Amino acid sequence: DIQLTQSPSFLSAFVGDRVTITCRTSQDIYSYLAWYQQKPGKAPKLLIYAASSLQSGVPPRFSGSGSGTEFTLTISSLQPEDSATYYCQQLYSYPAPLPFGGGTKVEIK
Amino acid sequence: EVQLVQSGAEVKKPGESLKISCKGSGYKFSSQWIAWVRQMPGKGLEWMGIIYPGDSDTKYSPSFQGQVTISADKSSNTVYLQWSSLKASDSAMYYCAKPLGGWFGFDDWGQGTLVTVSS
Repeated sequence: DIQLTQSPSFLSAFVGDRVTITCRTSQDIYSYLAWYQQKPGKAPKLLIYAASSLQSGVPPRFSGSGSGTEFTLTISSLQPEDSATYYCQQLYSYPAPLPFGGGTKVEIK
Repeated sequence: EVQLVQSGAEVKKPGESLKISCKGSGYKFSSQWIAWVRQMPGKGLEWMGIIYPGDSDTKYSPSFQGQVTISADKSSNTVYLQWSSLKASDSAMYYCAKPLGGWFGFDDWGQGTLVTVSS
């Protein structure tokens, strides 16, 4: 099965900072990667699909890039409401299995 | 509007059985895969398995194969997740989710069902 490794597992940044989260996969998944945001007590929310496509309604400060085995989620200007945990998920194996990365908790300083 | 509505929180004892549900509406239920995702307290998301309600084709993560059963009733637009003998380690939040389409991730999620297993 394909393994996903996210880094860092935690980051703390100021409002307005540029933040980057990395997701590495154990094999080439082309661009079949999604990013989610999860706030405490809420279901995950799809932010990015196909590695770089912004889901409808998601603010443009979120962007995704990468292909193959290395992917990044970037928040261009961190906002207070972006405090959350972010997960990547590989979709190359659709419909199954579709594991998630371990998550990155983003805290606002 | 697409909606996935899950059954309510459950408190069970070890060894008991349980079946939780996820009812879909606002789309062609039988034509879209539905996945189940576990989140243990304070932990990350774990993909458990997925079912195609149209023909009940079901696929499990190796970690959950044999531990749970996923099923569907297309006449009631409902997908189920069940345990025959719960363990304390099954205590978690469980989410159902529907894909945006194909390989594009899951854009619709249920509100979650909290399962607590305690003696």
